Amino acid sequence: EVQLVQSGAEVKKPGESLKISCKGSGYRFTNYWIAWVRQMPGKGLEWMGIIYPGDSETRYSPSFQGHVTISADKSISNAYLQWSSLKASDTAMYYCARGEVASDYWGQGTLVTVSS
Amino acid sequence: QSALTQPASVSGSPGQSITISCTGSSSDVGGYNYVSWYQQHPGKAPKLMIYDVINRPSGVSNRFSGSKSGNTASLTISGLQAEDEADYYCTSYTSSSTVVFGGGTKLTVL
Repeated sequence: EVQLVQSGAEVKKPGESLKISCKGSGYRFTNYWIAWVRQMPGKGLEWMGIIYPGDSETRYSPSFQGHVTISADKSISNAYLQWSSLKASDTAMYYCARGEVASDYWGQGTLVTVSS
Repeated sequence: QSALTQPASVSGSPGQSITISCTGSSSDVGGYNYVSWYQQHPGKAPKLMIYDVINRPSGVSNRFSGSKSGNTASLTISGLQAEDEADYYCTSYTSSSTVVFGGGTKLTVL
């Protein structure tokens, strides 16, 4: 069974760093792109970027380029989304999803709350 | 890149058909047959309903169908059911090798 299991909810202060994870199982992790999608409270879905774990090729939406870093560790089938300095506006649910142009499996989401 | 344009809301009665549009440009929707549609119920992760404009993943009801004409893609849901009430999002691959979402459409089943 294909599964993407994300790390748990986080509460952080502005300026802090954070790295959330997405663990793939039930399929060959290196053969499928992993995308990250943001959903701010009460708002729509936003595509942030994508990584191919096989060779770590990464692409970012212009809206998120430079604000987040996407990475992967294929040895443990994990993809990551990280921030070096969080802002209150980063408060959102973050989903990982499998697939480059269409995502057939999704993680359960990681809620990130940034508040002083 | 700008978000694709979807109507904010649509509604229909049980048994009726509704269509949700998704308008982009020649750099995304019009340029590639890589339009997908997702259903999202409150508090849940999105679910893929249509991919590559017209294809349904295994397990998705054949009441859901997709199409495209020029820069506009459409999702049609026939035989509306109460369980179809949800938010629907389109996506498209873009000329920048990225993906862009539509703003989302809230479907209300009356």
